[in-house]
Amino acid sequence: QVQVQQWGAGLVKPSGTLSLTCGVSGGFFSGSYCSWSRQPPGKGLEWIGEINHSETTYYNPSLTSRVIISLDPSRNQCSLNLISVTAADTAVYYCARRPYYRGSNSWGQGTQVTVSS
Amino acid sequence: DIQMTQSPSTLSASVEDRVTITCRASQSISPWLAWYQQKPGKAPKVLISQASNLESGVPSRFSGSGSGTDFTLTISSLQPDDFATYYCQQYHSFPLTFGGGTKVDIK
Repeated sequence: QVQVQQWGAGLVKPSGTLSLTCGVSGGFFSGSYCSWSRQPPGKGLEWIGEINHSETTYYNPSLTSRVIISLDPSRNQCSLNLISVTAADTAVYYCARRPYYRGSNSWGQGTQVTVSS
Repeated sequence: DIQMTQSPSTLSASVEDRVTITCRASQSISPWLAWYQQKPGKAPKVLISQASNLESGVPSRFSGSGSGTDFTLTISSLQPDDFATYYCQQYHSFPLTFGGGTKVDIK
């Protein structure tokens, strides 16, 4: 059974860089995307972006100038970096494995990231 | 970008009620729509992919239908475990987009 775990800093200073990593055990990213989403406090889900096993990336246009998603296939890990963060980036960030042609079926536990000095 | 509009935003219902949530896309997305259930403090859980395909382990009281731009999630007999927030997501084209969510609470 595929399990997704994520980790990274929960507190980031304004203008700093948010960095999170996601690992998949019991499965692979081949045939699927590593997908990142976020959820601000009390609000709905926002899709951030995805990367496939060929390392092709797709980003939310509202974040594309600040976000990089990368893949380490040898470790079954993918990473999210968001630069120049502000308080508006405070949210719970989720990693998920999304098979081609389906919704995301394996999610990480979520990471609360707070942007504050 | 494809906009996803969910309705209603909040729905009050009782156990064993039949519940229907709708999702409308700003352009045709068939059949590339997923439905998720999210409980407070938890990650979303996929219920349905490709508009009507029930994901493994999801109770049969959940069903999805629709085509083109209009889609529906139906819970045939609401159970206590079903009180949650539901989201649709289109994956027809990038950027992917979620609906605004529908909170199902106890009447």
